[in-house]
This record gives sequence, structure tokens and C-alpha cells, in this order.
Amino acid sequence: GAVVSQHPSRVICKSGTSVKIECRSLDFQATTMFWYRQFPKQSLMLMATSNEGSKATYEQGVEKDKFLINHASLTLSTLTVTSAHPEDSSFYICSADEHSYGYTFGSGTRLTVV
Amino acid sequence: EDKVVQSPLSLVVHEGDTVTLNCSYEVTNFRSLLWYKQEKKAPTFLFMLTSSGIEKKSGRLSSILDKKELFSILNITATQTGDSAVYLCAVGGGGADGLTFGKGTHLIIQP
Repeated sequence: GAVVSQHPSRVICKSGTSVKIECRSLDFQATTMFWYRQFPKQSLMLMATSNEGSKATYEQGVEKDKFLINHASLTLSTLTVTSAHPEDSSFYICSADEHSYGYTFGSGTRLTVV
Repeated sequence: EDKVVQSPLSLVVHEGDTVTLNCSYEVTNFRSLLWYKQEKKAPTFLFMLTSSGIEKKSGRLSSILDKKELFSILNITATQTGDSAVYLCAVGGGGADGLTFGKGTHLIIQP
């Protein structure tokens, strides 16, 4: 089946620093990947759509200068949380759409900003 | 605005009971409806439904989609404590569209 690998699984960083999260499709090519965020006791919310070779599309209310997305190859998308603050602490999950298996999720990254 | 509504939001039953979880949707583009089980980490895929009236089964779990009435149900029979989780329903338009998630049903199975 389609596998999406996400790293790191957990990261703690100091306020004001930047954190990069990687999402890789292991056995298929993903021209489009999706980034979601989930706050405690809430559902997943789509943050942005990452497009290979072009700019990401951000959902309303998501700051593109704060959440930098790079999709430089067909198997890798990265999300960088810049100048992180405690309110950015959340569970970030990437997903890719593989037509045979539908939407496949990475294992998620729990970000804690202290 | 796309909308996915799940009910109930929480449910407590005893082991062995059968439960039915509901999901209704209003979206601009529809390609598939998906059910996920989420425990402490990322959601685990359960079912993807694209056609009306065709039941999908996996062990004690089953699901069906009604594209005319815009809803789906997820059934779990002979529930076990390991079924305790949040069950998420999501709808996708395919291609460049991400998924729109419902708020989830928090299911607790008591021994």
C-alpha cells in the first residue's frame, strides 16, 4: 500500500526558533500533498496544499509567511514553522493522495513550543 | 463552505453492544468519503466510499454511503474496549482538494 513517512514524530523547541517537518511518499509520487493541524480535542483542519514545483495554496486564516511549505520533488514536502510561539504547539499531519489507496497520512508531528 | 457533520459527538456503550456512527456532508466537489480511527496519534484508515449503496466490511466494522441523501454510517458490532477511539469522517474532492473533516465521534467502550 501507499506509505507516507513523516519526521520528526515529536519536537520541542524554544519560542522564536524555527522547526522543519518533512513528509515523504515512499512508494509513489505525490504531485500534491496536504498539511493538516490538529489542536487538542479538535478535529483535523487543512492548513495548506503543497504542489510540486509551484507555490503552496493556503487555507483562509493560515499565515503563509509563518508556515513555509516547500515541495521540491515528487516525493518530499516540508513544512517549516518559523518564529514558533507557544500557540503554534499542535499536532501537524501531512497527507498525500494516491489514487489506488486514497488519502494516506503520515504519522504526525507533535510540536511543543516552550 | 464545505461542511461535514458527525453525530453523536460522544458515545459511551458497554462491551458487546453495536454502535452506529453518522456522518452527513455538504461539499462542492465530491470524490470520496473516508472513515478514520484516531487514538493517540495520526488517523488510521478504515474505509473509503465512493459509490452509493455498496457496503464495505472489515471484520466487525462496516460502512455505507448514500450519495443522494449525502450521508454515511459506520457500524461496529460486538464492540470491544479496543474500539474506544475518536472516529473521524472526511470528505475529499480529489485532485488538488484536501479533506474536510468532521469533528469526530468520541466512542468509549466500557467493560
